[in-house]
Amino acid sequence: DTGVSQDPRHKITKRGQNVTFRCDPISEHNRLYWYRQTLGQGPEFLTYFQNEAQLEKSRLLSDRFSAERPKGSFSTLEIQRTEQGDSAMYLCASSLVGGSYEQYFGPGTRLTVT
Amino acid sequence: GNSVTQMEGPVTLSEEAFLTINCTYTATGYPSLFWYVQYPGEGLQLLLKATKADDKGSNKGFEATYRKETTSFHLEKGSVQVSDSAVYFCALRGYGGSQGNLIFGKGTKLSVKP
Repeated sequence: DTGVSQDPRHKITKRGQNVTFRCDPISEHNRLYWYRQTLGQGPEFLTYFQNEAQLEKSRLLSDRFSAERPKGSFSTLEIQRTEQGDSAMYLCASSLVGGSYEQYFGPGTRLTVT
Repeated sequence: GNSVTQMEGPVTLSEEAFLTINCTYTATGYPSLFWYVQYPGEGLQLLLKATKADDKGSNKGFEATYRKETTSFHLEKGSVQVSDSAVYFCALRGYGGSQGNLIFGKGTKLSVKP
């Protein structure tokens, strides 16, 4: 079990550019979640997938944000036309369906928009 | 809607002191409750969980009891160590299989001095 991995760990971009993050979940986990965490706050839910289906999206997920999980394995989160307010830590988590749905988090991707 | 409120930090204790971090929640039905910990420079780690009323979650000397009558899930440890210095997040997951996301509190920063 290698845990949840995220790439890149850090991304600095200029306002208006597009960025894409990748998440690889724990291999047997069929649910994958994206969260955003800003300094001094708890993580806030963005969206989640069960296998390849995107089942829920938060109101935080504006139309500049899009997430995919095409084969039910890894997922990508793209932010188009980045704004300074997008600067945050983007966290990915995965879980199995059933039981307490324990979520295991990756190390996160820290995005800085200049 | 569902929400989590936890005591504001920072909390500073001396080594071997008793720790309590308060967490209360608002939710319909029977949510699952979690404590996550974030050590400096690391990702979120699941510390303990409880899935039904009166359950006690425990791990690494930490304990929390799911109290439905007071809608609380306070974190306790009898004797803290310097290595416990971290940010602690209380979280809930709504009842039912369609409830995907975790809802987090804002976090409580704990500093333990030798």
